[in-house]
Amino acid sequence: AQTVTQSQPEMSVQEAETVTLSCTYDTSESDYYLFWYKQPPSRQMILVIRQEAYKQQNATENRFSVNFQKAAKSFSLKISDSQLGDAAMYFCAYMWGNMLTFGGGTRLMVKP
Amino acid sequence: GAVVSQHPSRVICKSGTSVKIECRSLDFQATTMFWYRQFPKKSLMLMATSNEGSKATYEQGVEKDKFLINHASLTLSTLTVTSAHPEDSSFYICSARAGGYWSQPQHFGDGTRLSIL
Repeated sequence: AQTVTQSQPEMSVQEAETVTLSCTYDTSESDYYLFWYKQPPSRQMILVIRQEAYKQQNATENRFSVNFQKAAKSFSLKISDSQLGDAAMYFCAYMWGNMLTFGGGTRLMVKP
Repeated sequence: GAVVSQHPSRVICKSGTSVKIECRSLDFQATTMFWYRQFPKKSLMLMATSNEGSKATYEQGVEKDKFLINHASLTLSTLTVTSAHPEDSSFYICSARAGGYWSQPQHFGDGTRLSIL
């Protein structure tokens, strides 16, 4: 079974600074998808960024970028120029077939 | 685009009551919908997958007679918690996927907080 591990239960960053959230996963598949979702206090799950495993180029969405290391099965999220609105739970997720497997989450706090 | 509406957002009811939660895809057709459960400060756990017009596939450990899922149309799936008890109190989230290819991202509803007294 696939597993997703987020080793940082909590992270803190100063406003306007950069922070990196870690994620590792375990799979025997070669073609899969990885996601980062954001869950603010409102509890809505918001898709932040998506990476196809067959693409070597790291995905980027404005201030959000990933460092995808397929051989190491690592998928970290970098948030640049952190804003107060970035404060939330962040979940790393792996998808193959119908199964979307989530990591345990990292709570990001942004200090003004 | 890709908006998923979930209703109600909050339910408080007595033990023994059955509760129905609706999940609608507002601007796309969802061939597949998913139901998750999230305990406080925990991650999302998949309960079941439903495809339009067919029976839902439940994950191991999820009671299909307790959590009834119906996906009668391409825009609506419902989860009914039958004879709910306090241990069923949780946050339930649905998601919907457009198209049949599994690589399409899932779009989530806003969730339903269920509290059983």
